[in-house]
Amino acid sequence: NAGVTQTPKFRVLKTGQSMTLLCAQDMNHEYMYWYRQDPGMGLRLIHYSVGEGTTAKGEVPDGYNVSRLKKQNFLLGLESAAPSQTSVYFCASSYKGIVNYGYTFGSGTRLTVV
Amino acid sequence: SQQGEEDPQALSIQEGENATMNCSYKTSINNLQWYRQNSGRGLVHLILIRSNEREKHSGRLRVTLDTSKKSSSLLITASRAADTASYFCATAAEGSARQLTFGSGTQLTVLP
Repeated sequence: NAGVTQTPKFRVLKTGQSMTLLCAQDMNHEYMYWYRQDPGMGLRLIHYSVGEGTTAKGEVPDGYNVSRLKKQNFLLGLESAAPSQTSVYFCASSYKGIVNYGYTFGSGTRLTVV
Repeated sequence: SQQGEEDPQALSIQEGENATMNCSYKTSINNLQWYRQNSGRGLVHLILIRSNEREKHSGRLRVTLDTSKKSSSLLITASRAADTASYFCATAAEGSARQLTFGSGTQLTVLP
């Protein structure tokens, strides 16, 4: 009963490097989300997906790209990392949207860009 | 932009006391949800209250919603040290059921 799994859990990048964060869920959820959490702030939505093959921008999409090639996976990419992208990244999923259901969150990826 | 704002930002109480956290939001909502986040962990869904509901209970949790004031409160009764965590409200905007907008959270510390 894994739920939502994020890899890696920690990463340090140099400015300009690229990386991909992987989110996998085994609950057959349709909707998946990527949020970032910065100190003293709530979560801000980066991108989300309402089904396999679909993606949409959230509140803070600049500098990130996403893909949802398989229903169970949602990838977040940083093409050229910047120090402003130092944050904790959370993936979440929901069964057919949030009208009647809450999110299930992963445990987060702590990213530091130096 | 933050849709929900929690108040207070930090709250410290003794074990056994009740803890009340408030959330205010700006636009009409479909539902409001509360989440808990333990230090270094992901968020955990606690309770969902719909816009046509005024009160909801789950164990030691009681949530109220006042849509006329655009506010909600979360009451934790008989608090325990294990309740120490950050608590976030999140809103699903009316007419847009695809995403939640989170507030900045209340840090609750329950002292043994």
